[in-house]
Amino acid sequence: GAGVSQSPSNKVTEKGKDVELRCDPISGHTALYWYRQRLGQGLEFLIYFQGNSAPDKSGLPSDRFSAERTGESVSTLTIQRTQQEDSAVYLCASSFYLEGVSPLHFGNGTRLTVT
Amino acid sequence: DAKTTQPTSMDCAEGRAANLPCNHSTISGNEYVYWYRQIHSQGPQYIIHGLKNNETNEMASLIITEDRKSSTLILPHATLRDTAVYYCIVRVSYNQGGKLIFGQGTELSVKP
Repeated sequence: GAGVSQSPSNKVTEKGKDVELRCDPISGHTALYWYRQRLGQGLEFLIYFQGNSAPDKSGLPSDRFSAERTGESVSTLTIQRTQQEDSAVYLCASSFYLEGVSPLHFGNGTRLTVT
Repeated sequence: DAKTTQPTSMDCAEGRAANLPCNHSTISGNEYVYWYRQIHSQGPQYIIHGLKNNETNEMASLIITEDRKSSTLILPHATLRDTAVYYCIVRVSYNQGGKLIFGQGTELSVKP
């Protein structure tokens, strides 16, 4: 079946511009996660949505970063006034929400380059 | 959150078993051990997970010690396509939402 879809796959933007990254989770998955991966680095957790609960925003690096999710569908990650240090691959994942037994399924990410 | 410790890198000969160790000495009783891998330029791929018992699927086997303080991921017949970074993760507790916190992982190189 269809996996997690992210768009665009690549985005080049100028410093100071705003960008929106989109994630389409696997149908029926109630949990959705955003991660960031800088070149040569591991994955950094950004934010987590689960159903109608308040999102866990504990990983967002600054107030320039925000994310929304409508119901159990699409999510958008917005970065305002982009900086060069925001250059990274932004990965989205989704899962069912069953305690301890639901693996995350990842998309292939959006590669963001801030010039 | 329980932390994991993995070797930075490992080599394995093609066709041989790859045994990737992971230490998680502070794991709690309700925390699962997950393994993911990431092949260059792709998103992480789920491999296997377990709580107490050893687990096996079409990709790998997971051996968890009786005290649950360490585990080993076994790829029984490694191929060149198994070259990747392998992440051992302890999934944070239910009360913290179930997010996965990734460490630096083990870079496995499978050589001909």
